[in-house]
Amino acid sequence: AQSVTQLDSHVSVSEGTPVLLRCNYSSSYSPSLFWYVQHPNKGLQLLLKYTSAATLVKGINGFEAEFKKSETSFHLTKPSAHMSDAAEYFCVVSPSPGSARQLTFGSGTQLTVLP
Amino acid sequence: DSGVTQTPKHLITATGQRVTLRCSPRSGDLSVYWYQQSLDQGLQFLIQYYNGEERAKGNILERFSAQQFPDLHSELNLSSLELGDSALYFCASSVGVGRTYEQYFGPGTRLTVT
Repeated sequence: AQSVTQLDSHVSVSEGTPVLLRCNYSSSYSPSLFWYVQHPNKGLQLLLKYTSAATLVKGINGFEAEFKKSETSFHLTKPSAHMSDAAEYFCVVSPSPGSARQLTFGSGTQLTVLP
Repeated sequence: DSGVTQTPKHLITATGQRVTLRCSPRSGDLSVYWYQQSLDQGLQFLIQYYNGEERAKGNILERFSAQQFPDLHSELNLSSLELGDSALYFCASSVGVGRTYEQYFGPGTRLTVT
């Protein structure tokens, strides 16, 4: 079975400083991994996805993530935080091939951006 | 805007009642998923339909049911409601059922059971 662990429930950064949101996954197969963002009272928006192509994935709004198989990690980064980045971020792993087609969500990381 | 629409946006009802949540997927998407998001349980997958047929079930209670209609919209029916059913219910859609397909989420329906 697959699982995903978001290592920080809350991250606080100052505007203009780098963002790092950490995610580790567990999977017995080659996973597909996603990062979603949820702004207050909004639905989830896909930031980026990894599907076994390039290990460095670029997403929307300047975010990127690097798939590291040896570390079973898929951390989300952004060079310079903006106030509008304040939201909850979810790391998500795809189901195993042939299993029920459901995504497994991490518990979320709340990002606060300080002025 | 993801292209997935959900109605209603908010719903307040009493315990023991029944409600229906509606979802229209993005144009061209055949697969619809339902999720429940609550403070204590986080985001949980409930059920998936593909082109009108049930494809996968998650942590969906027996009091809950869903269907996908020929025009591909979907409804989630919640009955004998309890206080603990208060949550945000999301619908998502994707083109196919492969695990690499990303899902696009609607804005959600916030259900409050009093």
